[in-house]
Amino acid sequence: GAVVSQHPSRVICKSGTSVKIECRSLDFQATTMFWYRQFPKQSLMLMATSNEGSKATYEQGVEKDKFLINHASLTLSTLTVTSAHPEDSSFYICSATQGDRGSLYEQYFGPGTRLTVT
Amino acid sequence: AQSVTQLDSQVPVFEEAPVELRCNYSSSVSVYLFWYVQYPNQGLQLLLKYLSGSTLVKGINGFEAEFNKSQTSFHLRKPSVHISDTAEYFCAVSSQGGSEKLVFGKGTKLTVNP
Repeated sequence: GAVVSQHPSRVICKSGTSVKIECRSLDFQATTMFWYRQFPKQSLMLMATSNEGSKATYEQGVEKDKFLINHASLTLSTLTVTSAHPEDSSFYICSATQGDRGSLYEQYFGPGTRLTVT
Repeated sequence: AQSVTQLDSQVPVFEEAPVELRCNYSSSVSVYLFWYVQYPNQGLQLLLKYLSGSTLVKGINGFEAEFNKSQTSFHLRKPSVHISDTAEYFCAVSSQGGSEKLVFGKGTKLTVNP
């Protein structure tokens, strides 16, 4: 149980276009979802935290107008990179928490999305 | 605020040898501690976690870790590694009673050689 999927797994887009990445919890309801960014050979940096039905909370230094997050249901969160530029190329990973006491503080990670902006 | 230091960026070992991956943390409040493994181009998989209770935690794939509060450490160990253990390992913390946000260390690349 506790499977998180991401789509697409890999995307290439042209500079100036927007791309949407989906994160789904397949077999549980995710009260909270997190979006991370990982540069090559580096750690995960938290970009934002999203709760279903409310606005996402962005970490310091993350442009909320550039990285739009929508958590429309308890099983789906989307990250839209608007007007993408080559420096936005990265590995984006989402995670979700179940919210029940038994799994408190355990995040389940998606497989990641490799974004390349040309 | 919390921070995590993984002292070794790369650890090469031979197959069937023991391994220890070191993790130290800094926090002004009590924390929960985690170890995750990441295989190339994949997301993270939880190896083990310390929430409370026994300070020796056993996880999947034969890994274990010991929480040492006085030394603020949570080192990961395995008595005998396999080629398939080659991966990136991340230590992470979150604050007890706070949000569920995780703070990650920079990772340790474990390479198991035949």
